[in-house]
Amino acid sequence: NAGVMQNPRHLVRRRGQEARLRCSPMKGHSHVYWYRQLPEEGLKFMVYLQKENIIDESGMPKERFSAEFPKEGPSILRIQQVVRGDSAAYFCASSPRASGAADSYEQYFGPGTRLTVT
Amino acid sequence: RKEVEQDPGPFNVPEGATVAFNCTYSNSASQSFFWYRQDCRKEPKLLMSVYSSGNEDGRFTAQLNRASQYISLLIRDSKLSDSATYLCVVNKGTYKYIFGTGTRLKVLA
Repeated sequence: NAGVMQNPRHLVRRRGQEARLRCSPMKGHSHVYWYRQLPEEGLKFMVYLQKENIIDESGMPKERFSAEFPKEGPSILRIQQVVRGDSAAYFCASSPRASGAADSYEQYFGPGTRLTVT
Repeated sequence: RKEVEQDPGPFNVPEGATVAFNCTYSNSASQSFFWYRQDCRKEPKLLMSVYSSGNEDGRFTAQLNRASQYISLLIRDSKLSDSATYLCVVNKGTYKYIFGTGTRLKVLA
């Protein structure tokens, strides 16, 4: 059973370019979460999606950032006009469901995409 | 005050030692608690969920103290491979995880 997959693992962009990060959840998981981790800091929640729906994007900057999880294909986190402050590790996690027993909240993380903005 | 606080460490301990970490949380409505392990430049991996009655998995024991709003992780007979950052995670019974910044453990030969 393949785990959460993310690509690319490393991404270098110049200021002003666009960054597209992809995440395929674990098989059987329909809930996807994106987190950002800056050096020496904890992971910060960005957005929670189910298929074709954004459930909570309260952690995502209002401008330049968007996320989607289409009916077919991976979830995509898109950052337009990147700036140096966007350099971070972006992790995607998935879970089988988001309500019910406590263990249903267990989230499994992908290997992350390390974005470097030059 | 941060929602989830951890001592950043590092904790340097010899192989075979017992080490314990605490994590405090500020929101009394928190319902679910987890410990994750994160190796350098890798993704967090679920170590264990923390239940009200406490739980044990091999050399690892997790405890929850709701009255004092903290959770703990005890590692017995430390191995070199236990060296990592241990992340405390809290949520209020929803999908939104609140992560601590982690406690670094280094097990020395």
